[in-house]
Amino acid sequence: DTAVSQTPKYLVTQMGNDKSIKCEQNLGHDTMYWYKQDSKKFLKIMFSYNNKELIINETVPNRFSPKSPDKAHLNLHINSLELGDSAVYFCASSDRRTSGTDTQYFGPGTRLTVL
Amino acid sequence: KQEVTQIPAALSVPEGENLVLNCSFTDSAIYNLQWFRQDPGKGLTSLLLIQSSQREQTSGRLNASLDKSSGRSTLYIAASQPGDSATYLCAVTPRGSSNTGKLIFGQGTTLQVKP
Repeated sequence: DTAVSQTPKYLVTQMGNDKSIKCEQNLGHDTMYWYKQDSKKFLKIMFSYNNKELIINETVPNRFSPKSPDKAHLNLHINSLELGDSAVYFCASSDRRTSGTDTQYFGPGTRLTVL
Repeated sequence: KQEVTQIPAALSVPEGENLVLNCSFTDSAIYNLQWFRQDPGKGLTSLLLIQSSQREQTSGRLNASLDKSSGRSTLYIAASQPGDSATYLCAVTPRGSSNTGKLIFGQGTTLQVKP
């Protein structure tokens, strides 16, 4: 019974292509996040959506566009892929309404390799 | 600008040892601090969350402490087991980001517990 799921798990593509990564959570949470983990394992937040509204947008190139069709989904679309986009992308969710603890639940990650 | 540092980067211990992982942060104005575990090729699992008003949290063999004034947190693992082998990540939510859930991560300590 997966709480936060991502598809695909692995993504290998050529430079210049456009690709999407999908994320779904079945925890009933109101907030979702995208993180990037680089080759040195450093994890950095990219975006956050609360009730389908963008609340965090770090200094990410505008080639990256998150889309939240509903509270349970946050997809990440990347245009014109570059070599430096190669990383593991993690989706996460939390319930900021009632839990008061802000514990974030992470998906298994999507390993993106740009050739 | 908040920065989170974890020392050591890697640690190898024999089974049964008690050990301490260290985390330091540059700005004491935090909302909370969390410790996560990451297994190879997997997502992150939240271990403990300490609110800024708390000094420590315990879960089983794990104990996390927080000294906000000195900008430090420790994760104590008692009677380590080979199954504890993983990368442990520390993350803080800056005070100004309490309404967004933004996490700033350290680079992690990779722990190996030898049988």
